[in-house]
Amino acid sequence: GAVVSQHPSWVICKSGTSVKIECRSLDFQATTMFWYRQFPKQSLMLMATSNEGSKATYEQGVEKDKFLINHASLTLSTLTVTSAHPEDSSFYICGFFEEFGTRNYGYTFGSGTRLTVV
Amino acid sequence: AQSVAQPEDQVNVAEGNPLTVKCTYSVSGNPYLFWYVQYPNRGLQFLLKYITGDNLVKGSYGFEAEFNKSQTSFHLKKPSALVSDSALYFCAVSYGQNFVFGPGTRLSVLP
Repeated sequence: GAVVSQHPSWVICKSGTSVKIECRSLDFQATTMFWYRQFPKQSLMLMATSNEGSKATYEQGVEKDKFLINHASLTLSTLTVTSAHPEDSSFYICGFFEEFGTRNYGYTFGSGTRLTVV
Repeated sequence: AQSVAQPEDQVNVAEGNPLTVKCTYSVSGNPYLFWYVQYPNRGLQFLLKYITGDNLVKGSYGFEAEFNKSQTSFHLKKPSALVSDSALYFCAVSYGQNFVFGPGTRLSVLP
């Protein structure tokens, strides 16, 4: 099955610095990637959708200048949290969408990144 | 609008007993439905999906789910719970390339 590698798995950074999270598909190519954010004991909230070679589409309420998404290739997408603040502390998960007929329809998720801003 | 409800925040069950985690959905058209499990500080693991065909879907780790169109439900079940099944479970519905997740249900299997 499809494999997605996300790193780092956890990161602690100082307030005001930037953090980059990478997400790679290891055995398939994905034209569309998704970034989710999960607050403690809550569900996953879609932040943005990125298509390879084009600008990301952000959900309402997500600051595109703070959460920079780059989908440079069919196997790599990055999320950069710029000028991080403690309220940005959260669990971030990437997801690739694949559709090769109904049998292979669905999402594959990365293992997530726990960001703590101090 | 597409939506998913998981009416129970928490489900407790004794090891060896059957478990059910409930999910209802509201979508237009034919839904694609999914179950994922999340262990602490981990990403989501795919359990099973319903796209078309048999209403009873069998998935990973002995889990299964039954699609009930008349009740708009897709409850997750397992005949005999294990302590290691304790985790957070998400139901999701897909339309196009978009996913909508339910709020999640925390399952605790007590030894």
